[in-house]
Order: sequence, then C-alpha cells, then structure tokens
Amino acid sequence: GQQLNQSPQSMFIQEGEDVSMNCTSSSIFNTWLWYKQDPGEGPVLLIALYKAGELTSNGRLTAQFGITRKDSFLNISASIPSDVGIYFCAVRPGDSGAGSYQLTFGKGTKLSVIP
Amino acid sequence: DSGVTQTPKHLITATGQRVTLRCSPRSGDLSVYWYQQSLDQGLQFLIHYYNGEERAKGNILERFSAQQFPDLHSELNLSSLELGDSALYFCASSVVVGSGYTFGSGTRLTVV
Repeated sequence: GQQLNQSPQSMFIQEGEDVSMNCTSSSIFNTWLWYKQDPGEGPVLLIALYKAGELTSNGRLTAQFGITRKDSFLNISASIPSDVGIYFCAVRPGDSGAGSYQLTFGKGTKLSVIP
Repeated sequence: DSGVTQTPKHLITATGQRVTLRCSPRSGDLSVYWYQQSLDQGLQFLIHYYNGEERAKGNILERFSAQQFPDLHSELNLSSLELGDSALYFCASSVVVGSGYTFGSGTRLTVV
C-alpha cells in the first residue's frame, strides 16, 4: 500500500524558533493534509492542500503542496509551547484511483518546544 | 470539544474477551470512519460507514466488526482480543463522503 515518509521523526527546538517538516511519497496524490495531535486527543486538521504548487497559511503555519504532487512540507514560525504535539501528514488514496475516502497517514513528527 | 463523542475513554480487558467501542458523530455528519493508532503502525484506517452502509474497509481484522445505526452512531466490536490489539481507537465523522473529517478523542484499549 501507499507509504508516506515523514521527517524528521522528532525534533527539539527553542521557543521562538521556526520549524520545518516534510512528507514524501512514491505515488502522486491530489490532496495533502496536515494534522496535529495533542496528547490524549484525536488529530485535528491544520491545513488542507488541493492543488500542486499551492502554498496555504493558517496563522503561524504554512504548508505547501509539491509541484510533483509527491510531497508536502509544513513550516511553523516563531514556535510557542502550545505547538508541542505530533504532526501528521495525510493523503487520500481515493484521489489516486486506488481505495476510497480513507486517509493514509505518515508516522508523524513529534515536536518538543523548550521554553 | 470536536463534537465527535467516543465512549468509553479507557478500557482494560483480558485476552479472549470482546468489547464494544461507541462513536457518536457530529450532528448532521453521515460518514463515520474508524482508525486504530498503535505505536508501531501509526494511524491505520479500519472501516468507513456512510448513512448506515459500509463504504470501505481497510486493515480490519476478521475478529473486528462495525456497524452504523439509524441514528448514525457507530459501534466497533472487537472480539477474541489479543495483546496486540492494545491501541488507541479513533472514530471520525464528516458531512459527506470524502470531505475533511473531525476526529473524536479516542478510546484507549488495553488488553492484559
């Protein structure tokens, strides 16, 4: 099945620093999604990308849908303690003609912010 | 509060037992998805129901089954439980098939 390679697996940063993480696939997808999961909670959608090359922002978060449609990255600017959590990329296999409606998730990037 | 309600929040049971996890979708949402989150496999899609009908199956074991009732709540039944079934089980709901969906807070299942 499809596999998303998400990196880095974990990162420790100082409060105020910018963060960048990415997600790659060997297959083309027409939709890329970024979720954040806080401890003890379900994933929450941060940004959805629907067009190759698209750059979308949500507050301090910016995500881009790669031109090849095989990758995406997420940037967080001026990190704060509440940015701590696990960030997941996800794609919809149904968009590539295989499967339907479910999401395939990357393994996540665990972010720790040092005050 | 995401609007998706999952009960119970925690469940501890013995191997060989059967449990039922419950999910109430957001008001108006017709689609319910079930996912399993384990440390080694990450978030894995199990099954999708839309307005009472099964729409897609993922990596769901034969020991597991689900259904969606007329009031749109869904139940995930796990039987003959094994230690490896210990995981977080999430449901998510959406208004229409394929639209972005909202996750519940999950049920943490521990099999001892």
